[in-house]
Amino acid sequence: QVQLQESGPALVKPSETLSLTCTVSGDSISTYYWSWVRQPPGKGLEWIGYIYYNGGTNYSPSLKGRVTMSVDTSRNQFSLNLTAVTAADTAVYFCARERRGRGDCDYWGQGTLVTVSS
Amino acid sequence: DIQLTQSPSSLSASVGDRVAITCRASQSVTKYLNWYQQQPGRAPKVLIYGASTLQSGVPSRFSGSGSGTDFTLTISNLQPEDFATYYCQQSYSIPRTFGQGTRLEMK
Repeated sequence: QVQLQESGPALVKPSETLSLTCTVSGDSISTYYWSWVRQPPGKGLEWIGYIYYNGGTNYSPSLKGRVTMSVDTSRNQFSLNLTAVTAADTAVYFCARERRGRGDCDYWGQGTLVTVSS
Repeated sequence: DIQLTQSPSSLSASVGDRVAITCRASQSVTKYLNWYQQQPGRAPKVLIYGASTLQSGVPSRFSGSGSGTDFTLTISNLQPEDFATYYCQQSYSIPRTFGQGTRLEMK
C-alpha cells in the first residue's frame, strides 16, 4: 500500500521560506512524478509542480522564481521550498504521486496546514 | 495556462438522484481530463482519469465522458457518501490546472 506523509513547520513568518518534506512508503520514488498541490482555506486546488526521481522538475509559472523541489532517493523523500512567503501562501499543502502518461494523481498525503503569520 | 470552468458551482440533490457536472477547457486537452472527489478535511481522491476510465475501486455509478474541450462527470443513484466537492483537472499540459470545484449538497 502506497502512503505519502507530509512533514514540516505549521507556522512560517512572512518573507521567510516554507519547507516541507514528503516521505513515500510502499513504493520506490524512482518512478512516477511526485507532486505538490495546495489549497487555501475554503478555496480550490492549486498545482505547485512536480519532480521526477532524476531531479527533473516542472513548476507553476505563477510561483516560478520562489519554488524549488528536490528529491532524496536514498530516503524515498521529496521536498518543497517556497521562498518569500506571504499570507497568500497560507494553505493546506498536499504531496501526491502523478502517474506518467496519464497525469492524474492516484495517491495523496493527508495534507498539512501551513500558516504564514508573524 | 489552460483554464477549466466547471458548472454548476454548487448543486443540491437527493439520495438516488442522477447528477451531471460539466467541465469546459479553454483549449483542447484531448482526453487528458481527470475527476477528483474531495470530502471536507480530506485529500482529493481520483475517480476518473483519461476522461472516461474509472479508477480501480471507484463505484460504477461514477462515469466520465467527453473529449477536446467539453467533459462531463455523471453520478447515478447518488449515495450519502457522494455528497462532496468535485474537481476536474487537465493533465494535457504544464501547468496542470484544476477547475474551481462543484459542491454537491444534500437537498
